[in-house]
Amino acid sequence: IAGITQAPTSQILAAGRRMTLRCTQDMRHNAMYWYRQDLGLGLRLIHYSNTAGTTGKGEVPDGYSVSRANTDDFPLTLASAVPSQTSVYFCASSDVWDRPYNEQFFGPGTRLTVL
Amino acid sequence: TQLLEQSPQFLSIQEGENLTVYCNSSSVFSSLQWYRQEPGEGPVLLVTVVTGGEVKKLKRLTFQFGDARKDSSLHITAAQPGDTGLYLCAGGPSGTYKYIFGTGTRLKVLA
Repeated sequence: IAGITQAPTSQILAAGRRMTLRCTQDMRHNAMYWYRQDLGLGLRLIHYSNTAGTTGKGEVPDGYSVSRANTDDFPLTLASAVPSQTSVYFCASSDVWDRPYNEQFFGPGTRLTVL
Repeated sequence: TQLLEQSPQFLSIQEGENLTVYCNSSSVFSSLQWYRQEPGEGPVLLVTVVTGGEVKKLKRLTFQFGDARKDSSLHITAAQPGDTGLYLCAGGPSGTYKYIFGTGTRLKVLA
């Protein structure tokens, strides 16, 4: 059982370039999330999707876009990368969205460096 | 913006010692989760607490949710090198289902 896979594992990107981080889950979870993790700031929610076909903005959505064409895939796109987007990006999923609490399952992360 | 602050930020202790990590906020949360993250991996859920004053135990780990549901603590008894990692608390703000993560406590247990 793979759970959540993310690609690439790491990437060095020139500022201004477009980049898509891939995320795929095989648990048939309805909800998916993208976080960025920066030292001293913890995990911050970028975008989320509570079901295929719908997306929403998290705490730090500027400069990022997402799509949810099907249940399994939730790509994150940086249209024009900037150095402040250097971070470790985690994709996560949970079986439901509309509960007071739910367990999120995380992927292994993508380390992105924007020069 | 609702914030969850964790303390201490870093902790290095000897094997066998006890420790407590704190997670504090000025906001009320409907639930509070603790995750552990190891280098190069994503966080993994340890526990969820949902009732004010609730205490849960997971082997040598004891988790408590504050009576007012604004804070939580994680106590580790007789720490072992395998406990080394980044501990994150995450709160589910009342009225929403989005989780806010704390700043993290990086624990190193020396053999």
